Amino acid sequence: EAQVTQNPRYLITVTGKKLTVTCSQNMNHEYMSWYRQDPGLGLRQIYYSMNVEVTDKGDVPEGYKVSRKEKRNFPLILESPSPNQTSLYFCASTRTSGRAHTQYFGPGTRLTVL
Amino acid sequence: DQQVKQNSPSLSVQEGRISILNCDYTNSMFDYFLWYKKYPAEGPTFLISISSIKDKNEDGRFTVFLNKSAKHLSLHIVPSQPGDSAVYFCAAILTLTGANNLFFGTGTRLTVIP
Repeated sequence: EAQVTQNPRYLITVTGKKLTVTCSQNMNHEYMSWYRQDPGLGLRQIYYSMNVEVTDKGDVPEGYKVSRKEKRNFPLILESPSPNQTSLYFCASTRTSGRAHTQYFGPGTRLTVL
Repeated sequence: DQQVKQNSPSLSVQEGRISILNCDYTNSMFDYFLWYKKYPAEGPTFLISISSIKDKNEDGRFTVFLNKSAKHLSLHIVPSQPGDSAVYFCAAILTLTGANNLFFGTGTRLTVIP
């Protein structure tokens, strides 16, 4: 089954404690990205990756890092989380060939930073 | 600055009637538009899309209309069913950039009343 998986699904942590949210897709997609969803703001892109070892900032990259060492995985790293990073996070992937702009989203990770 | 806007945060419709969800955008360079549907505790799922070279795309009960001069698109669901109750996001892409950055609206919560 084609899918995007994220772990953990729920996480409560404290300010400054480094954390990683994993994302994995089994569709051999080149393009992957991370979004955060906040009330009244919709989904905003944090970082994206066009392919292995190619990453770039989205609209709200401050306080986040990513890596793309292999095609299937795209972890989101918060080196020093702060309360304003409390949000619902979604990983997504898509092909980049042709006009394949349909992105497939993971189930989401709800993060609370105290 | 929100480039894609959904001005109605919620909409209630009787089962069997038409649901019309609206979306406005400000960037005339957007050339591909998508609608996503989101249930609680799940990631957004792709519903329907339209290229800027078209003004209408239909898929079963779902039709998307695009009015480029007004920078407006709408999603029509006919007939509405209780299972359609969800949050609907419209999104836009600048395909010329080669990236797949989706610019999302803030979402409209549709409730279909049995």
